[in-house]
Amino acid sequence: AQSVTQPDIHITVSEGASLELRCNYSYGATPYLFWYVQSPGQGLQLLLKYFSGDTLVQGIKGFEAEFKRSQSSFNLRKPSVHWSDAAEYFCAVEEPTGGFKTIFGAGTRLFVKA
Amino acid sequence: SQTIHQWPATLVQPVGSPLSLECTVEGTSNPNLYWYRQAAGRGLQLLFYSVGIGQISSEVPQNLSASRPQDRQFILSSKKLLLSDSGFYLCAWSAGVYEQYFGPGTRLTVT
Repeated sequence: AQSVTQPDIHITVSEGASLELRCNYSYGATPYLFWYVQSPGQGLQLLLKYFSGDTLVQGIKGFEAEFKRSQSSFNLRKPSVHWSDAAEYFCAVEEPTGGFKTIFGAGTRLFVKA
Repeated sequence: SQTIHQWPATLVQPVGSPLSLECTVEGTSNPNLYWYRQAAGRGLQLLFYSVGIGQISSEVPQNLSASRPQDRQFILSSKKLLLSDSGFYLCAWSAGVYEQYFGPGTRLTVT
């Protein structure tokens, strides 16, 4: 069965520092991959997605993610974190052949210190 | 542009009472619709999804049910709430096998 692992429950970084959030998936083929962000008490917002092609994808708010097939990973990065980036981040996978079900990771909560 | 609405935003209900949460989507036709529950400090648990009117798939057996009476309306219900039903309920839509767009959520507290 497909699964998504986000090894870090929470991460704290200083404002202006770089950020990398880890995501590993278990799936027989290459799934569609997503990163979502959730501010407290809000719904989820799509940051970026990977379907095929260039393995480095750019998203909104200055985020990027790199798909590494050999490592079954899709890590999210940002070169310089802003205090407004404090939120919970979810990695998700979906079968490219349909099924209409997206599997979400447990999430990583990001804290930003001044 | 497309928008998704959920109501109510917050709800406090006693154990054993009924539940009805509503979700509506505007600006698109024949969307896939989803209900998720997010317990405190947990990820998202898919409860139901629907690919068309009257077509509901349940992912987790429990005392909740879902209905899709209209193309862009998705309702989550329960006849008798349990304490364990407390959580943050999110509705989402997608245009097939693509990213999902989430509503603002409903915070349900069962007392």
